[in-house]
Amino acid sequence: QKEVEQDPGPLSVPEGAIVSLNCTYSNSAFQYFMWYRQYSRKGPELLMYTYSSGNKEDGRFTAQVDKSSKYISLFIRDSQPSDSATYLCAMSAHSSASKIIFGSGTRLSIRP
Amino acid sequence: GAVVSQHPSWVICKSGTSVKIECRSLDFQATTMFWYRQFPKQSLMLMATSNEGSKATYEQGVEKDKFLINHASLTLSTLTVTSAHPEDSSFYICSARDLGLGKSSYNEQFFGPGTRLTVL
Repeated sequence: QKEVEQDPGPLSVPEGAIVSLNCTYSNSAFQYFMWYRQYSRKGPELLMYTYSSGNKEDGRFTAQVDKSSKYISLFIRDSQPSDSATYLCAMSAHSSASKIIFGSGTRLSIRP
Repeated sequence: GAVVSQHPSWVICKSGTSVKIECRSLDFQATTMFWYRQFPKQSLMLMATSNEGSKATYEQGVEKDKFLINHASLTLSTLTVTSAHPEDSSFYICSARDLGLGKSSYNEQFFGPGTRLTVL
């Protein structure tokens, strides 16, 4: 079993829709949860990070962490064609951890 | 701030040759740099972690004699793929971390744009 599971998609939604991206994990030691966006042939860029359980909002993006269920989500409101990318969840156990474990990524396409 | 560059952005080489990829932190000092490999439609897999001035720590299954990592300064790390073979063709991404730029309780890694290696 992988430490982090993420549905690879592809996921295609119309512009303006609410997008829900999810990951599950098995390591209860994970404390830091991140979402990265990666455009084709580019390096990933950090969208949001959350420590422990709870919600965090940044503009059209909301990250949720449910440690009891080992389940994290990223919601994108009012989705735009420019949001089309691969979204990677990632997590690590400690604040100074040398290792981040990535999900396989979900390919998202927003149709105009 | 917190920009990481990689050079080259893409490279094609013949089987058996060696290829060097550079990773630079442009506006901060990177105490730690990481090298990842990403195959098509797959996630990033950590290859090794390097701290400035010390030997790199390789992940299980990564051949340290094949993937030579040097982190000689606080702004530069290099990955050399020696005796490259077609199965080494991949997208290689570096990231860098500086404790001084870390947000409270979290030390963010800043990723480079990646280097696409094709071995013929």
